[in-house]
Amino acid sequence: DGGITQSPKYLFRKEGQNVTLSCEQNLNHDAMYWYRQDPGQGLRLIYYSQIVNDFQKGDIAEGYSVSREKKESFPLTVTSAQKNPTAFYLCASTGWRETTGELFFGEGSRLTVL
Amino acid sequence: AQTVTQSQPEMSVQEAETVTLSCTYDTSENNYYLFWYKQPPSRQMILVIRQEAYKQQNATENRFSVNFQKAAKSFSLKISDSQLGDTAMYFCAFMKPFNTDKLIFGTGTRLQVFP
Repeated sequence: DGGITQSPKYLFRKEGQNVTLSCEQNLNHDAMYWYRQDPGQGLRLIYYSQIVNDFQKGDIAEGYSVSREKKESFPLTVTSAQKNPTAFYLCASTGWRETTGELFFGEGSRLTVL
Repeated sequence: AQTVTQSQPEMSVQEAETVTLSCTYDTSENNYYLFWYKQPPSRQMILVIRQEAYKQQNATENRFSVNFQKAAKSFSLKISDSQLGDTAMYFCAFMKPFNTDKLIFGTGTRLQVFP
């Protein structure tokens, strides 16, 4: 089935450790996104990539890093520089020049810093 | 800058009844898209309905319909004949055309459907 797969679903991290969240899609979408979801704050854009080997910072990129070496994959690294990393992270994708705005989402990864 | 406001953090409705979720937005643009996304407890968010601002006719998808008031910058979602599977978080979102990286979400409304 076509879709977006995020892993792991749950992740625990000690303070000071980096952690990488995986996002893979088989929808042949060019554009991929990472959002952070916190209670009462909706979704906030961390990073996005519209093409392989290129990505742009979103509204809350500090403390995060990404790579886009393959069209299908867009991993997110939460670094130790991120001051409040405990959150729910959503990956999404859409076709390039998608004018209708429909994003396709993964099931999310919940990160808890102990 | 565009903003999206959902003033109802939580709502509840009895099965088979109708419920309306509110959304207001602020923009100086004339052409844009508005969306309602649904995030069930399983967490995979899906698009429920989309409205193009230049279309006067309100969008409808089965039991879901919107009341789009462009002058008032209001975009409410009506769910008719509510079902238990409608229990979810609902997000209103705004986007300018060709600006998928600028999809702006509201804070969400948690809807509980009771039997």
